[in-house]
Amino acid sequence: GDSVTQTEGLVTVTEGLPVKLNCTYQTTYLTIAFFWYVQYLNEAPQVLLKSSTDNKRTEHQGFHATLHKSSSSFHLQKSSAQLSDSALYYCALRRGSSGNKLIFGIGTLLSVKP
Amino acid sequence: EAAVTQSPRSKVAVTGGKVTLSCHQTNNHDYMYWYRQDTGHGLRLIHYSYVADSTEKGDIPDGYKASRPSQENFSLILELASLSQTAVYFCASSGDNYAEQFFGPGTRLTVL
Repeated sequence: GDSVTQTEGLVTVTEGLPVKLNCTYQTTYLTIAFFWYVQYLNEAPQVLLKSSTDNKRTEHQGFHATLHKSSSSFHLQKSSAQLSDSALYYCALRRGSSGNKLIFGIGTLLSVKP
Repeated sequence: EAAVTQSPRSKVAVTGGKVTLSCHQTNNHDYMYWYRQDTGHGLRLIHYSYVADSTEKGDIPDGYKASRPSQENFSLILELASLSQTAVYFCASSGDNYAEQFFGPGTRLTVL
């Protein structure tokens, strides 16, 4: 079946340094889309980035990601981490079927230290 | 921007008791979803709905029922609550088959 893998449960980075959160997937659908959701402490998840176009870079709030269907990946990156980026990040796959259903990874907790 | 509200925001229930979690959205969205969040599992889909008076099973529906009496309201029902259902529950809505999902603030359920 379909699946989304986030290999790191916790990523700790020093403020000002680059950060990369990994996301890979498996799916049998040809038509897919990806989302990165961010969840701040005691808040609801909210969309950070979304993409359905292969090899096209998507950017928002200083973060960027590129969907690479050849390697089944949609990694999230930022060139300079900020303290306010500390949060739980989910990668999610939207299946090509009806219902707009999402499959989420287990999440990566990003901790940015001064 | 989508407005999704949930009630209650937290609840303590006893094992074997009935629990109803409510979700209300004010943005005229057709699609609504219930997820549970657990550390190590992320967000998992329990039930969802395309239209009022109709619900569909998600990936982990066992032990849960859902009700969509109107476009705006979507409830999650635990007929016989169990310890394993202790989790944070999120409701979400989306406007169509390709739109992003907007989440409510969550309900923290503790079953004792």
